[in-house]
Amino acid sequence: EAGVAQSPRYKIIEKRQSVAFWCNPISGHATLYWYQQILGQGPKLLIQFQNNGVVDDSQLPKDRFSAERLKGVDSTLKIQPAKLEDSAVYLCASSLNGQGAEKLFFGSGTQLSVL
Amino acid sequence: GQQLNQSPQSMFIQEGEDVSMNCTSSSIFNTWLWYKQDPGEGPVLLIALYKAGELTSNGRLTAQFGITRKDSFLNISASIPSDVGIYFCASNFGNEKLTFGTGTRLTIIP
Repeated sequence: EAGVAQSPRYKIIEKRQSVAFWCNPISGHATLYWYQQILGQGPKLLIQFQNNGVVDDSQLPKDRFSAERLKGVDSTLKIQPAKLEDSAVYLCASSLNGQGAEKLFFGSGTQLSVL
Repeated sequence: GQQLNQSPQSMFIQEGEDVSMNCTSSSIFNTWLWYKQDPGEGPVLLIALYKAGELTSNGRLTAQFGITRKDSFLNISASIPSDVGIYFCASNFGNEKLTFGTGTRLTIIP
């Protein structure tokens, strides 16, 4: 079974530039999550999709971050413009139904460095 | 928001030693999950606990859901080199989103 695919693996940009990350979840998984993991911390949820609808985006900095999952399958997360404090690993995860503490399957992440 | 505090922050042990780490919170949770993250990878679920007092094993790993529902511990017996990584607890209440702990970094000294 193919896992959660993310690209790119690494990205280096200058502050105020834009960047986009892509995620393809496990086939058949209705729920997709984007997490931000700052060095030395645990993952923090940015946004959760159920199919193509947003379930929770309470911790997404909406002035600069946006995400979409138009066809309910793959998803993109964009940062525009980037700030130094956005340097982190961006993890995508998927689960079957998004119920409670259902098992999450994580991708390998995109490591973003903002200079 | 809810916070999960893990201790210790980091551990340096020799191969073959047993390891113990825990996770505490001021809030009550319904579920405790333990994840392991290898360098450059996403977290992988190790053990899930759903009932207060529950004790669950997965090979050399054993985890328990605290009776007060505010804590959990993870033990690793007879550590091996592939145990190196960061261990995260995660929890939630009801259908709320998962909250991850601060992590315990395990290093094995040759």
